[in-house]
Amino acid sequence: DQQVKQNSPSLSVQEGRISILNCDYTNSMFDYFLWYKKYPAEGPTFLISISSIKDKNEDGRFTVFLNKSAKHLSLHIVPSQPGDSAVYFCAASDTGANSKLTFGKGITLSVRP
Amino acid sequence: EAGVAQSPRYKIIEKRQSVAFWCNPISGHATLYWYQQILGQGPKLLIQFQNNGVVDDSQLPKDRFSAERLKGVDSTLKIQPAKLEDSAVYLCASSLGRDWRGETQYFGPGTRLLVL
Repeated sequence: DQQVKQNSPSLSVQEGRISILNCDYTNSMFDYFLWYKKYPAEGPTFLISISSIKDKNEDGRFTVFLNKSAKHLSLHIVPSQPGDSAVYFCAASDTGANSKLTFGKGITLSVRP
Repeated sequence: EAGVAQSPRYKIIEKRQSVAFWCNPISGHATLYWYQQILGQGPKLLIQFQNNGVVDDSQLPKDRFSAERLKGVDSTLKIQPAKLEDSAVYLCASSLGRDWRGETQYFGPGTRLLVL
């Protein structure tokens, strides 16, 4: 049973435009959400996170939005750059239990020059 | 600051053979995680250590997988005997381990295992 779902396996956008990556979750106990970015042959690297007490967190070109009632979060990248081309994983945690992360399957983002 | 180190980077074995992976976390990080990432999937937690104690090993196939973290620093993950479905990337991650709420996990480059 997939508790974190990234239903779109890939996304292609033009350089300079906005990239919107979506993620849905089913476990209502999740209260902390993260996005990781992964290049080929490397481990995932932390990108941005959001606690369930917030609905938005911004860091430079990256913004994460959380809609708790819909159990949905999204990552916005504005403007998109070719170096953003990577696999993006959504992850969630129930911090009342431990720091264990549950990951989605990932979305492959391609930014066209 | 040095990142999470893992070795080997690649390993090819035949089914029923044994294999071991090594991980050295970031210095001072109390929590260490082993994840299995099968092609096309997200990482799945196998085991989590806090210092040298196990916090969560609920998804570790204990009939064939074992892990240890002697002295609370580096760790080894072993598979014995390996099956074809164990082909995956094995990722090690670490975090400070001082606050469950929202700690960033730092990942190593992973070990890519192919079982033939």
